[in-house]
Amino acid sequence: EAEVAQSPRYKITEKSQAVAFWCDPISGHATLYWYRQILGQGPELLVQFQDESVVDDSQLPKDRFSAERLKGVDSTLKIQPAELGDSAMYLCASSLAGALETQYFGPGTRLLVL
Amino acid sequence: QKEVEQNSGPLSVPEGAIASLNCTYSDRGSQSFFWYRQYSGKSPELIMFIYSNGDKEDGRFTAQLNKASQYVSLLIRDSQPSDSATYLCAVPDKLIFGTGTRLQVFP
Repeated sequence: EAEVAQSPRYKITEKSQAVAFWCDPISGHATLYWYRQILGQGPELLVQFQDESVVDDSQLPKDRFSAERLKGVDSTLKIQPAELGDSAMYLCASSLAGALETQYFGPGTRLLVL
Repeated sequence: QKEVEQNSGPLSVPEGAIASLNCTYSDRGSQSFFWYRQYSGKSPELIMFIYSNGDKEDGRFTAQLNKASQYVSLLIRDSQPSDSATYLCAVPDKLIFGTGTRLQVFP
């Protein structure tokens, strides 16, 4: 069964350092999503791609976060510099174009900023 | 900003009972609703979605939508301990999630 791949699964870093997360969506899924989930809360959409284009990044803290999906396949989310409040689970998901009912989440990357 | 509200729980039900999970939303224009299940330490998985008023059944799960009252419910019949998880309600677009309701099914 096709899955969304994410790496690393866990990341511990010190504040002010740079971190990067990678996501490989399900083959054929044009839409890719990055979410942040703080413990005890629901996921919050950070950025949504349609192929290589950003559809929505209104919730992305652009002073420190960046995301790219250069060839419309895999994607990287970067944080620089990391802050204590960035400690969370970072989830990647993908779906067929505009079809949320086909959305699948990856296993996530758990980030701890010390 | 659309808002989605859920009772954080925990909701405790005995094995075999019906678990009822509720979600209210602020945007009257919302047309569809999604229910996700999230086990502790795992990522969410989509279990149900509903687009129109009324009920939608899938196995032991039933989603109920009442647009006039702006709430959507998820019923789980014959609850099993394996159903113990957090259930998240979400509305598109941008998939705005509620905080989730933690369900505990005890033997």
